[in-house]
Amino acid sequence: AQSVTQLDSQVPVFEEAPVELRCNYSSSVSVYLFWYVQYPNQGLQLLLKYLSGSTLVKGINGFEAEFNKSQTSFHLRKPSVHISDTAEYFCAVSDLTQGGSEKLVFGKGTKLTVNP
Amino acid sequence: GAGVSQSPRYKVAKRGQDVALRCDPISGHVSLFWYQQALGQGPEFLTYFQNEAQLDKSGLPSDRFFAERPEGSVSTLKIQRTQQEDSAVYLCASSLNSPRDLYEQYFGPGTRLTVT
Repeated sequence: AQSVTQLDSQVPVFEEAPVELRCNYSSSVSVYLFWYVQYPNQGLQLLLKYLSGSTLVKGINGFEAEFNKSQTSFHLRKPSVHISDTAEYFCAVSDLTQGGSEKLVFGKGTKLTVNP
Repeated sequence: GAGVSQSPRYKVAKRGQDVALRCDPISGHVSLFWYQQALGQGPEFLTYFQNEAQLDKSGLPSDRFFAERPEGSVSTLKIQRTQQEDSAVYLCASSLNSPRDLYEQYFGPGTRLTVT
């Protein structure tokens, strides 16, 4: 079964600094990859997704992620964070080999805290 | 436009009570998902509908959990004889089944269930 590992449970960073949130998934022939953000007491919002094509994916709010098949990674980056980026970030994978089911497998999340 | 809505937002149940959680997906969305998010964890898949057909219920933790979507729109997740380990946030998500939006799931705010 597919699994997702988010290597850092908490990432503190100062405002305007760059940030990278790491995500690794278990190997599979074909996967779709996602990053979601969750603000307190809210549902998840899609930041970006990788389905195919260019391995560098740009999303909303200035975030981007790079798909690396050989390292089975999909790390999320932002060159300069804002206080408003403070939230929980979840990496997720949809395993196409599982009969085409659309269900997502999530990592445990990384809490990003941006300090002034 | 209207997003995915869930009700109630908060539910406190005494151990042994039955609860029903409602999800109103985005109008026209074919696919509907339920996820369970325990405190400090990522969401975990429970079940999946395509229109009124429940195509995958592999994530339901026990036969106390039951989901339905009789008319292919609103869905209800029912938990019978609630236990303390059922305490979690229950997230509903919906998606179109079109190639352009394939795999993009839109999440509701969740129902926080506390079993005392």
